Amino acid sequence: DQQVKQNSPSLSVQEGRISILNCDYTNSMFDYFLWYKKYPAEGPTFLISISSIKDKNEDGRFTVFLNKSAKHLSLHIVPSQPGDSAVYFCAASSRGNKLTFGTGTQLKVEL
Amino acid sequence: GAGVSQSPSNKVTEKGKDVELRCDPISGHTALYWYRQSLGQGLEFLIYFQGNSAPDKSGLPSDRFSAERTGGSVSTLTIQRTQQEDSAVYLCASSLHRNTGELFFGEGSRLTVL
Repeated sequence: DQQVKQNSPSLSVQEGRISILNCDYTNSMFDYFLWYKKYPAEGPTFLISISSIKDKNEDGRFTVFLNKSAKHLSLHIVPSQPGDSAVYFCAASSRGNKLTFGTGTQLKVEL
Repeated sequence: GAGVSQSPSNKVTEKGKDVELRCDPISGHTALYWYRQSLGQGLEFLIYFQGNSAPDKSGLPSDRFSAERTGGSVSTLTIQRTQQEDSAVYLCASSLHRNTGELFFGEGSRLTVL
């Protein structure tokens, strides 16, 4: 039972353009959502999060949007840079319990 | 060290052998998690320790898998009678407390079962 889904395994974007990574979830009890970034041979690193009481959170080039009615969140990266090339995982939790991760989206930012 | 430390970084073992993977979390972090990532897969939750509470073992795939956390710090994940499907990167993470959701991951232990 995949409670957090990232349906696009890969995404290719040109440098300077917007990258949009999507994530869907099924568990309505999830109240906290996060995005992690992972480079090869490294552990994932925290990128940005959003609480279910908000619908948007922004941090520099990164913005996360939450649509609770659609059980959908997205990560926008503007402008995309080659160093953003990595695997991006979305994750969700309920009342501070364990994080449930999606399967990841490989982002490639091309010059 | 400043971050989460895992050892060994790489382990190659023969099918049927037991393996132990170690995690040293960030000092002061009360929550500790084990995840694994199989080839081409996402992060699969295994087990979660929070302070002195009973661990959440709901993600352990079989009774060959066990984990302990001694003194609220170092954790060891043990896989008995390893199988080829156990081959994966085993990731440990810690967090300051359970409510932040922001986990700090180690670099992982890559296990290969021949």
